[in-house]
Amino acid sequence: SYEMTQPPSVSVSPGQTARITCSGDAVPKQFSFWYQQRPGQAPLLVIYKDSQRPSGIPERFSGSSSGTTVTLTISGVQAEDEADYYCHSADSSGTYWVFGGGTKLTVL
Amino acid sequence: EVKLMQSGGVVVQPGGSLRLSCAASGFTFDDYAMHWVRQAPGKGLEWVSLINWNGANTYYGDSVKGRFTVSRDNSKNSLYLNMNSLRPEDTALYYCAKLAGHDGIDIWGQGTMVTVSS
Repeated sequence: SYEMTQPPSVSVSPGQTARITCSGDAVPKQFSFWYQQRPGQAPLLVIYKDSQRPSGIPERFSGSSSGTTVTLTISGVQAEDEADYYCHSADSSGTYWVFGGGTKLTVL
Repeated sequence: EVKLMQSGGVVVQPGGSLRLSCAASGFTFDDYAMHWVRQAPGKGLEWVSLINWNGANTYYGDSVKGRFTVSRDNSKNSLYLNMNSLRPEDTALYYCAKLAGHDGIDIWGQGTMVTVSS
């Protein structure tokens, strides 16, 4: 099996920058993805291929990768960004997929 | 409109079996691999299974391997998940999801609630 590790929670004040990390041994070999999930809703893709932003996702969302860690950065956090965020990727063979445990972003 | 429509929720006894379905519309279904993802109440997302575009390759998470089987019928634009030997810990909202290659999961179904309880 394979695991990706995220912090359980991150808290920031409105207007500040939130950074959510996700670590996994296969990060250098596989693209990672980030999903936002608000209560009662299906997940929404906010970053693909480590750092690409889908159309319709605000520019304040960005992604980066370094070594075995990928990072989701939300600049100028707004109240509406309060949600759970999940990283998603595969092991080095590309056949076993995992989600990170999820990070609850709280906007103070 | 691009859509994934899933079957309704169900309650099943431990040890029982169930088949979930997911009907695709608005896109060329057989161009894409498909995931099943589940979420237990109050918990995080868990990857369940992946099937490639023609059904020739299937992959499973450790917690369901040997009990669940994913399949698809491209002539009916439909995805299925056969679930056997169900356990209380399989209780979750099950999502089907379209994998747009390296562009990630771009479409999710509305979810099917599966409750395993006696």
